[in-house]
Amino acid sequence: ETGVTQTPRHLVMGMTNKKSLKCEQHLGHNAMYWYKQSAKKPLELMFVYSLEERVENNSVPSRFSPECPNSSHLFLHLHTLQPEDSALYLCASSQERTARTGNTIYFGEGSWLTVV
Amino acid sequence: QKEVEQNSGPLSVPEGAIASLNCTYSDRGSQSFFWYRQYSGKSPELIMFIYSNGDKEDGRFTAQLNKASQYVSLLIRDSQPSDSATYLCAVGGGSNYKLTFGKGTLLTVNP
Repeated sequence: ETGVTQTPRHLVMGMTNKKSLKCEQHLGHNAMYWYKQSAKKPLELMFVYSLEERVENNSVPSRFSPECPNSSHLFLHLHTLQPEDSALYLCASSQERTARTGNTIYFGEGSWLTVV
Repeated sequence: QKEVEQNSGPLSVPEGAIASLNCTYSDRGSQSFFWYRQYSGKSPELIMFIYSNGDKEDGRFTAQLNKASQYVSLLIRDSQPSDSATYLCAVGGGSNYKLTFGKGTLLTVNP
């Protein structure tokens, strides 16, 4: 138990569906992240929120839409996805958004997404 | 393009041996260095971080950092089959606050 909870753990969706991934952190952190992990690729940072403000958007297609209603919750809304979007989506949090000394990122268990 | 390079492996060692995992990075201004362990089908979990040149020990794990050579390593002493996992190197700070991950090294410890 890392203090970062993701639901659902597994999701299968069609290309025309709309679904959402949910993340909640119980660590009192101020920054939250969405990462994508595909086979044979490094972890890809998708979005960063700091104090509920989006501070990073790494050229992610608009079919992925993040939402951060407060510092403890983060959503990733999914619509009209493609099969190549199938991957492990990881939510993470840290005390602050800078990767300076002392600021450690903690990951949730991840949501396995399959697009059919 | 800031990069973190790791040998993808697989690295195979016998039980009880020392496993040595290596990582190089391109951003000379990097300040923070992390090792994460990821079991198959699971999320990454932090096992070590290091910020200063030299060695840092935690139980069976030793992280080594050489900023001049832009090199960070992880040694696992008395390797156990339960250490079999992918080890991710992550580097942060410097000119970019983001954490950059390597592709990971798959370690297999054989009983």
